[in-house]
Amino acid sequence: DAGVIQSPRHEVTEMGQEVTLRCKPISGHDYLFWYRQTMMRGLELLIYFNNNVPIDDSGMPEDRFSAKMPNASFSTLKIQPSEPRDSAVYFCASSPWTERANTGELFFGEGSRLTVL
Amino acid sequence: KQEVTQIPAALSVPEGENLVLNCSFTDSAIYNLQWFRQDPGKGLTSLLLIQSSQREQTSGRLNASLDKSSGRSTLYIAASQPGDSATYLCAVNGGNFNKFYFGSGTKLNVKP
Repeated sequence: DAGVIQSPRHEVTEMGQEVTLRCKPISGHDYLFWYRQTMMRGLELLIYFNNNVPIDDSGMPEDRFSAKMPNASFSTLKIQPSEPRDSAVYFCASSPWTERANTGELFFGEGSRLTVL
Repeated sequence: KQEVTQIPAALSVPEGENLVLNCSFTDSAIYNLQWFRQDPGKGLTSLLLIQSSQREQTSGRLNASLDKSSGRSTLYIAASQPGDSATYLCAVNGGNFNKFYFGSGTKLNVKP
């Protein structure tokens, strides 16, 4: 399996621009998570999906942030408009979870490093 | 809300030393606990996963233990090597269904 795939790996943009981060989870995983990592706050959970449905978006910092999962193999995290304080590494992770095999192990992508100037 | 604490925040040891990293959590109602390694500029790599019904897991030189009643987990690294230098994070899966709570990590430096 190719693992969790994220793109772009690096993004530099100017304040006010729209940013779209993409994620392909591991095939067969029921859960998808978006995290943000900064030196100051560590890893923060932004939102997670179960079977393409958003379950908990309480970590999304503002209305400028939105996430979608149109199908089981693709998710996006969008920031519009972006601000310098959004600069961070954004991670996507996926996890298999079924009642029959509830391992709940979490697998991370390599991350998207966002710099907003 | 589940809170996860990792102590120490940083650790520097000479090569060959055995060491223990600590993780504590406030709510013992967990599904599992997972230890990760993160190298600079990289994603998190899963090291060990301990289910709530288990007491420990081993992988090579790594051994992780879990004591739910006391809210503690330890990651034991035997015969440390410079290649073990990284940040180690623990994550607790519990409270809300399949929601993971992370500690802030222990940055390990193994000196040659």
